[in-house]
Amino acid sequence: KAGVTQTPRYLIKTRGQQVTLSCSPISGHRSVSWYQQTPGQGLQFLFEYFSETQRNKGNFPGRFSGRQFSNSRSEMNVSTLELGDSALYLCASRRGIEASGNTIYFGEGSWLTVV
Amino acid sequence: AQSVTQPDIHITVSEGASLELRCNYSYGATPYLFWYVQSPGQGLQLLLKYFSGDTLVQGIKGFEAEFKRSQSSFNLRKPSVHWSDAAEYFCAVAFTGGGNKLTFGTGTQLKVEL
Repeated sequence: KAGVTQTPRYLIKTRGQQVTLSCSPISGHRSVSWYQQTPGQGLQFLFEYFSETQRNKGNFPGRFSGRQFSNSRSEMNVSTLELGDSALYLCASRRGIEASGNTIYFGEGSWLTVV
Repeated sequence: AQSVTQPDIHITVSEGASLELRCNYSYGATPYLFWYVQSPGQGLQLLLKYFSGDTLVQGIKGFEAEFKRSQSSFNLRKPSVHWSDAAEYFCAVAFTGGGNKLTFGTGTQLKVEL
Protein backbone atom coordinates (compact mmCIF):
# COMPACT_ATOMS: atom_id res chain seq x y z
CA LYS A 1 0.00 0.00 0.00
CA ALA A 2 1.08 3.59 -0.51
CA GLY A 3 3.29 5.19 2.10
CA VAL A 4 3.17 8.66 3.56
CA THR A 5 3.04 11.19 0.74
CA GLN A 6 4.30 14.73 1.08
CA THR A 7 3.98 17.61 -1.35
CA PRO A 8 5.74 19.59 -2.56
CA ARG A 9 9.11 17.85 -2.31
CA TYR A 10 11.16 20.98 -2.87
CA LEU A 11 10.36 24.64 -2.62
CA ILE A 12 12.10 27.98 -2.30
CA LYS A 13 10.49 30.90 -0.53
CA THR A 14 11.50 34.43 0.33
CA ARG A 15 11.78 35.78 3.86
CA GLY A 16 8.46 37.11 5.08
CA GLN A 17 6.38 34.83 2.88
CA GLN A 18 4.30 31.96 4.10
CA VAL A 19 4.30 28.33 3.05
CA THR A 20 1.88 25.43 3.24
CA LEU A 21 3.04 21.83 3.15
CA SER A 22 0.75 18.88 2.62
CA CYS A 23 0.80 15.32 3.91
CA SER A 24 -1.32 12.29 3.06
CA PRO A 25 -0.94 9.51 5.64
CA ILE A 26 -0.94 5.81 5.04
CA SER A 27 -4.45 4.53 4.44
CA GLY A 28 -6.13 3.72 7.74
CA HIS A 29 -3.76 5.88 9.78
CA ARG A 30 -5.51 8.59 11.74
CA SER A 31 -2.56 10.21 13.45
CA VAL A 32 -0.29 12.61 11.60
CA SER A 33 2.73 14.31 13.12
CA TRP A 34 5.26 16.75 11.76
CA TYR A 35 8.98 17.05 12.43
CA GLN A 36 11.59 19.59 11.41
CA GLN A 37 15.09 18.44 10.55
CA THR A 38 18.02 20.84 10.41
CA PRO A 39 21.79 20.25 10.60
CA GLY A 40 22.04 22.30 13.76
CA GLN A 41 19.02 21.16 15.76
CA GLY A 42 18.49 17.68 14.36
CA LEU A 43 15.02 16.19 14.32
CA GLN A 44 12.49 18.12 16.35
CA PHE A 45 8.82 17.42 16.93
CA LEU A 46 6.43 20.12 15.72
CA PHE A 47 2.93 18.81 16.43
CA GLU A 48 0.61 15.85 16.12
CA TYR A 49 -2.98 15.62 14.98
CA PHE A 50 -5.50 12.87 15.56
CA SER A 51 -9.10 12.98 14.45
CA GLU A 52 -8.71 16.58 13.33
CA THR A 53 -7.56 17.71 16.78
CA GLN A 54 -4.07 18.81 17.76
CA ARG A 55 -3.00 16.40 20.49
CA ASN A 56 0.54 17.54 21.17
CA LYS A 57 2.77 20.45 20.28
CA GLY A 58 6.52 20.97 20.33
CA ASN A 59 8.45 24.08 21.26
CA PHE A 60 8.02 26.13 18.13
CA PRO A 61 6.71 29.67 17.76
CA GLY A 62 3.13 30.38 16.79
CA ARG A 63 4.22 30.99 13.20
CA PHE A 64 4.12 27.22 12.83
CA SER A 65 0.62 25.84 12.63
CA GLY A 66 -1.17 22.87 11.24
CA ARG A 67 -4.48 21.23 10.72
CA GLN A 68 -5.96 17.88 9.87
CA PHE A 69 -8.91 17.15 7.66
CA SER A 70 -11.64 14.56 8.04
CA ASN A 71 -9.83 12.24 5.63
CA SER A 72 -6.75 12.41 7.91
CA ARG A 73 -4.74 14.45 5.43
CA SER A 74 -2.77 17.18 7.11
CA GLU A 75 -1.25 20.52 6.24
CA MET A 76 1.28 22.59 8.08
CA ASN A 77 1.77 26.29 7.58
CA VAL A 78 4.68 28.53 8.40
CA SER A 79 4.00 32.25 8.26
CA THR A 80 6.47 35.13 8.08
CA LEU A 81 9.29 32.86 7.00
CA GLU A 82 12.75 33.35 8.44
CA LEU A 83 16.07 32.11 7.09
CA GLY A 84 16.25 29.70 10.01
CA ASP A 85 13.10 27.96 8.84
CA SER A 86 15.08 26.37 6.01
CA ALA A 87 14.82 22.68 6.77
CA LEU A 88 13.52 19.30 5.78
CA TYR A 89 9.97 18.97 7.06
CA LEU A 90 8.96 15.40 7.66
CA CYS A 91 5.45 14.12 8.04
CA ALA A 92 4.76 10.86 9.83
CA SER A 93 1.66 8.79 10.32
CA ARG A 94 0.51 5.98 12.58
CA ARG A 95 -2.69 4.13 13.08
CA GLY A 96 -3.53 5.26 16.61
CA ILE A 97 -2.53 7.93 19.06
CA GLU A 98 -0.80 5.81 21.67
CA ALA A 99 2.94 5.18 21.58
CA SER A 100 2.55 1.51 22.41
CA GLY A 101 2.00 -0.72 19.44
CA ASN A 102 1.78 2.08 16.95
CA THR A 103 4.70 2.28 14.59
CA ILE A 104 5.41 5.68 13.13
CA TYR A 105 6.11 5.81 9.40
CA PHE A 106 7.71 8.79 7.70
CA GLY A 107 7.32 10.39 4.31
CA GLU A 108 10.15 11.54 2.06
CA GLY A 109 9.90 15.08 3.38
CA SER A 110 9.53 18.57 1.96
CA TRP A 111 12.72 20.53 1.50
CA LEU A 112 12.12 24.19 2.26
CA THR A 113 14.74 26.81 1.44
CA VAL A 114 14.15 30.37 2.60
CA VAL A 115 16.19 33.04 0.83
CA ALA B 1 12.49 15.06 30.11
CA GLN B 2 13.32 12.11 27.96
CA SER B 3 16.52 12.20 25.94
CA VAL B 4 18.38 9.97 23.54
CA THR B 5 22.14 9.84 23.16
CA GLN B 6 24.03 8.50 20.21
CA PRO B 7 27.65 8.96 21.27
CA ASP B 8 29.19 8.26 17.88
CA ILE B 9 28.69 11.02 15.34
CA HIS B 10 30.66 9.26 12.61
CA ILE B 11 31.62 5.61 12.20
CA THR B 12 33.66 4.07 9.39
CA VAL B 13 33.72 0.33 8.80
CA SER B 14 35.02 -1.88 6.03
CA GLU B 15 32.56 -3.75 3.90
CA GLY B 16 31.96 -7.18 5.38
CA ALA B 17 32.90 -6.10 8.89
CA SER B 18 30.47 -6.16 11.78
CA LEU B 19 28.73 -3.03 12.99
CA GLU B 20 27.39 -1.79 16.29
CA LEU B 21 25.77 1.62 16.71
CA ARG B 22 25.17 2.76 20.23
CA CYS B 23 22.04 4.32 21.66
CA ASN B 24 21.25 5.26 25.25
CA TYR B 25 18.04 6.81 26.49
CA SER B 26 17.09 8.62 29.61
CA TYR B 27 13.63 8.06 31.00
CA GLY B 28 12.13 6.30 33.95
CA ALA B 29 9.22 4.43 32.39
CA THR B 30 9.36 1.67 29.82
CA PRO B 31 10.27 3.23 26.52
CA TYR B 32 9.25 2.26 23.04
CA LEU B 33 12.40 2.21 20.96
CA PHE B 34 13.06 2.61 17.27
CA TRP B 35 15.91 2.73 14.81
CA TYR B 36 15.49 4.65 11.58
CA VAL B 37 17.85 5.04 8.63
CA GLN B 38 18.08 8.05 6.36
CA SER B 39 19.85 8.11 3.00
CA PRO B 40 20.89 11.49 1.58
CA GLY B 41 17.92 13.54 0.49
CA GLN B 42 15.44 10.96 1.72
CA GLY B 43 13.01 10.54 4.56
CA LEU B 44 13.34 8.15 7.47
CA GLN B 45 12.94 4.43 6.95
CA LEU B 46 12.09 2.24 9.91
CA LEU B 47 14.67 -0.50 10.52
CA LEU B 48 13.20 -2.06 13.65
CA LYS B 49 11.22 -1.34 16.78
CA TYR B 50 10.82 -2.56 20.34
CA PHE B 51 7.55 -2.33 22.21
CA SER B 52 7.71 -5.25 24.62
CA GLY B 53 8.61 -8.93 24.88
CA ASP B 54 11.80 -10.39 23.51
CA THR B 55 14.58 -7.90 24.05
CA LEU B 56 16.41 -8.94 20.88
CA VAL B 57 14.53 -7.65 17.88
CA GLN B 58 15.12 -8.34 14.23
CA GLY B 59 14.66 -5.75 11.56
CA ILE B 60 14.99 -5.26 7.87
CA LYS B 61 18.21 -5.43 5.86
CA GLY B 62 19.79 -7.86 8.33
CA PHE B 63 19.83 -5.46 11.29
CA GLU B 64 19.04 -6.38 14.87
CA ALA B 65 18.96 -4.51 18.15
CA GLU B 66 18.97 -5.51 21.79
CA PHE B 67 17.12 -3.68 24.53
CA LYS B 68 19.04 -3.70 27.81
CA ARG B 69 16.97 -2.11 30.53
CA SER B 70 19.79 -2.17 33.08
CA GLN B 71 21.99 -0.14 30.75
CA SER B 72 19.21 1.98 29.24
CA SER B 73 20.54 1.00 25.86
CA PHE B 74 19.20 -0.12 22.51
CA ASN B 75 22.24 -0.79 20.34
CA LEU B 76 21.91 -1.59 16.66
CA ARG B 77 24.00 -4.39 15.16
CA LYS B 78 24.70 -5.98 11.84
CA PRO B 79 27.09 -8.93 11.41
CA SER B 80 28.32 -7.99 7.94
CA VAL B 81 28.00 -4.50 6.51
CA HIS B 82 27.32 -3.85 2.84
CA TRP B 83 28.37 -0.72 0.96
CA SER B 84 24.68 0.16 0.53
CA ASP B 85 24.35 0.50 4.32
CA ALA B 86 26.17 3.83 4.21
CA ALA B 87 23.64 6.32 5.56
CA GLU B 88 22.69 8.15 8.73
CA TYR B 89 21.10 6.16 11.52
CA PHE B 90 18.78 7.58 14.13
CA CYS B 91 17.70 6.06 17.39
CA ALA B 92 14.35 7.30 18.74
CA VAL B 93 12.22 6.79 21.83
CA ALA B 94 8.57 7.31 22.63
CA PHE B 95 6.46 6.52 25.63
CA THR B 96 2.81 6.58 26.53
CA GLY B 97 2.01 9.59 28.60
CA GLY B 98 4.81 11.66 27.16
CA GLY B 99 2.72 12.97 24.34
CA ASN B 100 3.53 9.91 22.30
CA LYS B 101 5.97 11.88 20.20
CA LEU B 102 9.32 10.56 19.05
CA THR B 103 12.46 11.97 20.60
CA PHE B 104 15.47 11.41 18.37
CA GLY B 105 19.16 11.08 18.97
CA THR B 106 21.55 13.23 16.99
CA GLY B 107 22.28 10.47 14.54
CA THR B 108 25.33 8.42 13.54
CA GLN B 109 26.74 8.82 10.06
CA LEU B 110 27.98 5.48 8.75
CA LYS B 111 30.65 5.32 6.09
CA VAL B 112 31.51 1.99 4.49
CA GLU B 113 34.94 1.49 2.98
CA LEU B 114 35.22 -0.92 0.08
